[in-house]
Amino acid sequence: GEDVEQSLFLSVREGDSSVINCTYTDSSSTYLYWYKQEPGAGLQLLTYIFSNMDMKQDQRLTVLLNKKDKHLSLRIADTQTGDSAIYFCAVDSGAGSYQLTFGKGTKLSVIP
Amino acid sequence: GAGVSQSPSNKVTEKGKDVELRCDPISGHTALYWYRQSLGQGLEFLIYFQGNSAPDKSGLPSDRFSAERTGGSVSTLTIQRTQQEDSAVYLCASSFKVRDTQYFGPGTRLTVL
Repeated sequence: GEDVEQSLFLSVREGDSSVINCTYTDSSSTYLYWYKQEPGAGLQLLTYIFSNMDMKQDQRLTVLLNKKDKHLSLRIADTQTGDSAIYFCAVDSGAGSYQLTFGKGTKLSVIP
Repeated sequence: GAGVSQSPSNKVTEKGKDVELRCDPISGHTALYWYRQSLGQGLEFLIYFQGNSAPDKSGLPSDRFSAERTGGSVSTLTIQRTQQEDSAVYLCASSFKVRDTQYFGPGTRLTVL
């Protein structure tokens, strides 16, 4: 089945850029998502990218997709303390799939 | 508009008891999903509903787990004879239709003593 891998921790200074990386195994994935989870809260959809795109920008967020290497990244520009959270990469299993497979999440710590 | 809501937010129970977890999806969303988030693990898919039917129950970890959805809206996840390994956060999500973007609720944290 699909496998999604992320590094578990990332620490950055306030104002710097954060880059969170994700790799996946199923080349037929059509939609790839980034969710944010703050302590005690559910998952908040941040952004997503369709597999025929290689980049998507939304304000401070930039998603890069390298479909050949099955590598997805989320860049947060000008990282703020409010960005401290766990970030989950999630992918579907191809067209027609309803099930998302999640990575274990990357805990982002922003140092003031 | 209102997002996905879940209740209770926290549930502590004794081993062997039954529990019911409730999910109220976004109004108008026809698809509803249950996931489990265990400590140190990612999210594990449990079951999804299209309307009131559950075409895929293969993610349910054992026959102690069941779920239903009535009226195409609220869903209940029931765990019978709870075990300590059932302790986790149970997340519900909904989407306008199957395969659309999923929006998550805040989750129910279940602790089995």
